[in-house]
Amino acid sequence: AQSVSQHNHHVILSEAASLELGCNYSYGGTVNLFWYVQYPGQHLQLLLKYFSGDPLVKGIKGFEAEFIKSKFSFNLRKPSVQWSDTAEYFCAVIMDSNYQLIWGAGTKLIIKP
Amino acid sequence: SQTIHQWPATLVQPVGSPLSLECTVEGTSNPNLYWYRQAAGRGLQLLFYSVGIGQISSEVPQNLSASRPQDRQFILSSKKLLLSDSGFYLCAWSEGTNTEAFFGQGTRLTVV
Repeated sequence: AQSVSQHNHHVILSEAASLELGCNYSYGGTVNLFWYVQYPGQHLQLLLKYFSGDPLVKGIKGFEAEFIKSKFSFNLRKPSVQWSDTAEYFCAVIMDSNYQLIWGAGTKLIIKP
Repeated sequence: SQTIHQWPATLVQPVGSPLSLECTVEGTSNPNLYWYRQAAGRGLQLLFYSVGIGQISSEVPQNLSASRPQDRQFILSSKKLLLSDSGFYLCAWSEGTNTEAFFGQGTRLTVV
């Protein structure tokens, strides 16, 4: 079955540390890829997306993600996190087989000041 | 610009009572509309989606139903709530089936 996996459910980092959140999907066809963020008490917001072209995509607030097709991965990165990055991060994938967003379970990121 | 409104933000209902959550989108026409349920540690579960007025697709069997009486209005309902219906419900819209979705603020439903 098609699925999206986020490897870490909870990540705790200190400010200025580098961040990488893993996302893998199980599907061999064409995909559109997304990272969403949900800050405490706020609605889900789109962080970045990949449809085609350069596999390294830049998002808001200094985030970036790299699509590696051979690894079925779309990992989220940020070189230096801030306390305000504390949030839950969701990876989502649209697969051309059914055109529905399939979601990962989410990763709760806590940044210690 | 497009906006999505979902209400109420929180709701406490007794078991067996009816439910009606409303979602409206402004600034676009003929959007795809979605109802999701978000459970802690489990991501988002798609409950219903609609590609047009009166067209509803259900993804999972539920004690819930959805309706789309107008182009930009999407309603989540139940005739009799169960304790297991407690959760966080999100409405979302997208311009097509192959692009990102935009979310409402969500409704925290507690069935007591």
